[in-house]
Amino acid sequence: QQQVKQSPQSLIVQKGGISIINCAYENTAFDYFPWYQQFPGKGPALLIAIRPDVSEKKEGRFTISFNKSAKQFSLHIMDSQPGDSATYFCAASPGRYNQGGKLIFGQGTELSVKP
Amino acid sequence: DAGVIQSPRHEVTEMGQEVTLRCKPISGHDYLFWYRQTMMRGLELLIYFNNNVPIDDSGMPEDRFSAKMPNASFSTLKIQPSEPRDSAVYFCASSWGQGRPDSPLHFGNGTRLTVT
Repeated sequence: QQQVKQSPQSLIVQKGGISIINCAYENTAFDYFPWYQQFPGKGPALLIAIRPDVSEKKEGRFTISFNKSAKQFSLHIMDSQPGDSATYFCAASPGRYNQGGKLIFGQGTELSVKP
Repeated sequence: DAGVIQSPRHEVTEMGQEVTLRCKPISGHDYLFWYRQTMMRGLELLIYFNNNVPIDDSGMPEDRFSAKMPNASFSTLKIQPSEPRDSAVYFCASSWGQGRPDSPLHFGNGTRLTVT
């Protein structure tokens, strides 16, 4: 119930294409869904996040789509660039830290954007 | 701000040795987290602190692992004795925001631990 399942494990996209990464969860108490981006040799960094009261959030070329009934959310990277090549993690959390609300991360997707 | 600072960046040690990883969180942040990253298990939360007090250590794999936060600007993760299966990248992260998970986690660049 605490798991977040992420797919695919790896993804190769041509420059200018759309990258799509999917995540699914079981715990209906999850109420915060961020995506983190990690470059080699660095720690993950927050990219974009969504709450379940909206179905989509867009920031530049990055969009989160959220389907509450299916308990799924996805990251879309439009006009993918070689600089987007990184590992992407979805995550979810059921509320505040003092209520057990720690972030649960997916397994990660290694994205490679070919020039 | 220099961000979250971890040391050392790389640690190679022999099985049975004690290993100590260090972390300096961002000044003013009231939460500190220790994560472990492996290919098989991804990012796992080991333990987190609020205002220097351990809140949840349910992710600590065994009694060989211990973590302390003696003050707001320093934390350690110790493995004693170390085993080859402890080889991983260990990340420290901090955040501020009254305990709300939607406050971003700020990660350090990690310590790559290799136990031979």
